[in-house]
Amino acid sequence: EIVLTQSPATLSLSPGERVTLSCRASQSVSTYLAWYQQKPGQAPRLLISDASNRATGIPARFSGSGSGTDFTLTISSLEPEDFAVYYCQHRSDWPLTFGGGTKVEIK
Amino acid sequence: QVQLQQWGAGLLKPSETLSLTCAVYGGSFSDYYWSWIRQPPGEGLEWIGEINHSGNTNYNPSLKSRLTISVDTSKRQISMKVTSVTAADTAIYYCATATKLSAAGRRYFDYWGQGSLVTVSS
Repeated sequence: EIVLTQSPATLSLSPGERVTLSCRASQSVSTYLAWYQQKPGQAPRLLISDASNRATGIPARFSGSGSGTDFTLTISSLEPEDFAVYYCQHRSDWPLTFGGGTKVEIK
Repeated sequence: QVQLQQWGAGLLKPSETLSLTCAVYGGSFSDYYWSWIRQPPGEGLEWIGEINHSGNTNYNPSLKSRLTISVDTSKRQISMKVTSVTAADTAIYYCATATKLSAAGRRYFDYWGQGSLVTVSS
């Protein structure tokens, strides 16, 4: 099983700040990695596919990068609606796994 | 556009069987795999397993011995059963699917059900 480790667990930031979230895989997943955003009481929403491609309707302030074992999700300037939990997920092999999540909270 | 509507018993006692169903509206039922994913309260996401219209399945080894996922193509529904539940199975359960083929030839979860809270308690 591929283990995805996200860091940090929590980030306390202010609107307008730049955010960088990390996801590290226990073995290479090539670029078969997605990022999701989840708000309280809601299902996750797909943000990024194939490590760097924004999903339909996702604002340009969200960007993803990386390949192999190290991946990054960047939010260029935090908007109030971006405070949420972010998960990475690989699509390299079975079982599919998710990272433990990073909570981005208001400072 | 795919819509997923799910339902099932919300309160179970230890050792009982968890049973959930997800109905698929819109989209092509035969083109995709249909997954179950769960999330314990306040915790992260765990992929449980998936099935396609032909009944081909992939299961998470962590649940495989207790898990059955089935499909009813005439009703456009998928179902999941987990036997011998314990408190550790308390979670919000989602059905989800991945419809769009990415540039790298992969699919990621772009449609989700509303979630069903299942609580296991004596």
